[in-house]
Amino acid sequence: QKEVEQNSGPLSVPEGAIASLNCTYSDRGSQSFFWYRQYSGKSPELIMSIYSNGDKEDGRFTAQLNKASQYVSLLIRDSQPSDSATYLCAALWGKFQFGAGTQVVVTP
Amino acid sequence: GAVVSQHPSRVICKSGTSVKIECRSLDFQATTMFWYRQFPKQSLMLMATSNEGSKATYEQGVEKDKFLINHASLTLSTLTVTSAHPEDSSFYICSALTSGGATDTQYFGPGTRLTVL
Repeated sequence: QKEVEQNSGPLSVPEGAIASLNCTYSDRGSQSFFWYRQYSGKSPELIMSIYSNGDKEDGRFTAQLNKASQYVSLLIRDSQPSDSATYLCAALWGKFQFGAGTQVVVTP
Repeated sequence: GAVVSQHPSRVICKSGTSVKIECRSLDFQATTMFWYRQFPKQSLMLMATSNEGSKATYEQGVEKDKFLINHASLTLSTLTVTSAHPEDSSFYICSALTSGGATDTQYFGPGTRLTVL
């Protein structure tokens, strides 16, 4: 059983629209959650972290955490072609667990 | 954010040779670093956890005698692929763990693309 699950996609989003990515996790003991962006052929880069229930905003990105339902989501507002990448969700409980990633394709 | 470097970024070697990859945390000290491998269009695969001053912890199925890890200082971890073969060709990525603050966070290096001929 996968401990951090994401839809693999691809998620196709028109330019300027909101991209919504979801991630569920199995361990209620998870403490912190992270979203990374990985462009093809590159290494992951941290977008943001979240560890309290609710929303956290950083520029065009908003992370949402719901510990009771065990999910964390990432919203990308005003999506741009440069947002086309694979987005990795990670949870920390003792050790980091990564999801397989969701591929996002922003179409002009 | 914290900066992690890797060297070399790309290496091509002959089968049977050994390759060393360096991972450095540039602006922070990292007691813990991680080594990942990623094949094309596949997920990150954790190979091992590297702790400064102690032996690395390898994930199941990763040969510790083939993938030698040394974490000799708080800013440097090295991965040596010994007697490399074509099936070892992959994208190797390190990350370093920052502690303190609200939560521990991993920052990734830019990766090393290894091609074994």
